[in-house]
Amino acid sequence: EDKVVQSPLSLVVHEGDTVTLNCSYEVTNFRSLLWYKQEKKAPTFLFMLTSSGIEKKSGRLSSILDKKELSSILNITATQTGDSAIYLCAVAGGRGGATNKLIFGTGTLLAVQP
Amino acid sequence: DGGITQSPKYLFRKEGQNVTLSCEQNLNHDAMYWYRQDPGQGLRLIYYSQIVNDFQKGDIAEGYSVSREKKESFPLTVTSAQKNPTAFYLCASSPLMNTEAFFGQGTRLTVV
Repeated sequence: EDKVVQSPLSLVVHEGDTVTLNCSYEVTNFRSLLWYKQEKKAPTFLFMLTSSGIEKKSGRLSSILDKKELSSILNITATQTGDSAIYLCAVAGGRGGATNKLIFGTGTLLAVQP
Repeated sequence: DGGITQSPKYLFRKEGQNVTLSCEQNLNHDAMYWYRQDPGQGLRLIYYSQIVNDFQKGDIAEGYSVSREKKESFPLTVTSAQKNPTAFYLCASSPLMNTEAFFGQGTRLTVV
């Protein structure tokens, strides 16, 4: 069964801390890995990774994919209270005829305290 | 403005009723998806569609039905066969499968 596992499930840090969120996957016909941030309702897109070892970076956020280890990390440096959210990892792929679906992990709930 | 619109934001359903959740996008995206989100379980795929008049079951399709008669629209019907329909439902679209998906604001369905 295809699955995506995120860790930790929840995390509480103070402003200015650096955090690392983890995503591991077992998905047949892997195509890409995506990170989303969900604050209240609609998840918003952060990164899409398709090649191993290449770092995607946007301001204080960065992410790397390790296809050998079937995992990815999302780093947030100098955290701010506005970073508080659920961070979702999704993998595009799937078995059989359904090779084109996004499979989501349970998410990591990040709380940044002032 | 281009985007993806879900309605209603909140929906209450009596047991035994069918209800339909609307999802419309004006992004000219080919692919559309429906997800269900329960606390602690992330997003689970209900149905997805790559082109008009075609759709595929996701992981938890039982008790749900969809149609894709127009490129812009992908409504989801929650039937009385769905035993535990109370959840947050998210619709998404993407230009092609396996690319960045854009989400609507969601519909929170409650059975009363």
